[in-house]
Amino acid sequence: GAVVSQHPSRVICKSGTSVKIECRSLDFQATTMFWYRQFPKQSLMLMATSNEGSKATYEQGVEKDKFLINHASLTLSTLTVTSAHPEDSSFYICSASGGWTSGGYNEQFFGPGTRLTVL
Amino acid sequence: AQTVTQSQPEMSVQEAETVTLSCTYDTSESNYYLFWYKQPPSRQMILVIRQEAYKQQNATENRFSVNFQKAAKSFSLKISDSQLGDTAMYFCAFMESAPYNQGGKLIFGQGTELSVKP
Repeated sequence: GAVVSQHPSRVICKSGTSVKIECRSLDFQATTMFWYRQFPKQSLMLMATSNEGSKATYEQGVEKDKFLINHASLTLSTLTVTSAHPEDSSFYICSASGGWTSGGYNEQFFGPGTRLTVL
Repeated sequence: AQTVTQSQPEMSVQEAETVTLSCTYDTSESNYYLFWYKQPPSRQMILVIRQEAYKQQNATENRFSVNFQKAAKSFSLKISDSQLGDTAMYFCAFMESAPYNQGGKLIFGQGTELSVKP
């Protein structure tokens, strides 16, 4: 159980175009979803947190107009990179939380990630 | 703000031996959770082990165990009988307690790249 999928796994686009990445919780309802960015050999950097039906909360330094996040349902969140540029090339990872687990905390289940390359 | 520090960018260990990865954190919270995640070359994040701050007993999961020192804000991971499949990037992470439906933010350390050599 607790499977999170991401689509696409890889995407290559031209500079100036927009790219949408989907994150789905396949077997549970995700009340909260998180989006991370990871550069090679570096840690995961939290970009934003979204609760279903609410606006996303962005971390300091993340451009909300460039990285649009929509959490329209309890199983789907999307990240749209608008007017992408080469510096946006990175590995994007989502995670989903469906409430407290037996441990009394909000366990995050991670998607497999999406590699974005902007030419 | 909470911070997580992993001071060992790279480590290597011989197969079947034991290795310890270090992690320190800083927080003023009293109720929180600590995790070790593994990220193999596939880049899929895998939860290795978790520790609740309110528990004094160190967590153990098969060959993986932690040494949780709350006063020192230290949380190290010990891998016993290392296997080739343990080769991966390991991240220490902190999560403060959060309401049921709001999810808790994970704060990650810089990571330690572990190589298990045959």
